[in-house]
Amino acid sequence: EPEVTQTPSHQVTQMGQEVILRCVPISNHLYFYWYRQILGQKVEFLVSFYNNEISEKSEIFDDQFSVERPDGSNFTLKIRSTKLEDSAMYFCASRPEAAQPQHFGDGTRLSIL
Amino acid sequence: QKEVEQNSGPLSVPEGAIASLNCTYSDRGSQSFFWYRQYSGKSPELIMSIYSNGDKEDGRFTAQLNKASQYVSLLIRDSQPSDSATYLCAVVPSGNTPLVFGKGTRLSVIA
Repeated sequence: EPEVTQTPSHQVTQMGQEVILRCVPISNHLYFYWYRQILGQKVEFLVSFYNNEISEKSEIFDDQFSVERPDGSNFTLKIRSTKLEDSAMYFCASRPEAAQPQHFGDGTRLSIL
Repeated sequence: QKEVEQNSGPLSVPEGAIASLNCTYSDRGSQSFFWYRQYSGKSPELIMSIYSNGDKEDGRFTAQLNKASQYVSLLIRDSQPSDSATYLCAVVPSGNTPLVFGKGTRLSVIA
């Protein structure tokens, strides 16, 4: 069964450094998402991406964050200058069309020191 | 503010019993409803989706939706220790908006 693939599984970074989290969505899916989950808290929406542009973003997704689909397969989340509070699990998700279920990758655990 | 509410638990049931998980949502216009299972340190895994009022069964799982009461539930029959996890209720408020998650209910199935 096709899967959403995320790399790396764990990223440790010094505060203030830039990080890029990578995702390969399922190949025929059209909608792409990033979510995060701080330890012990709920899954929170960051940004959605459709037709090569951001379709919606949350208050969390400030100027430090950006997303890109540099080619036909990868979908990346960049955090320009990381803060301690960015430490969380980051999940990529994709779905084929509107109202269909989203399928999640295994996540990247981001630890900011 | 679109909210999804769940009892955080833990909900403890004996092996073989029925586990009943509940969820309420605030946006009356919501159209799509999902249950995800999340093991500790892992990603959400889709269990059930439901879009219209009534019951939907898939194996040991039954999802129930009541839009008038803004209420979604998940029943797990013949609960197994491997069902022990956090169950996340997620709602799409309208067609293309992202999922809004509840905090999840932690289920513990005791052998």
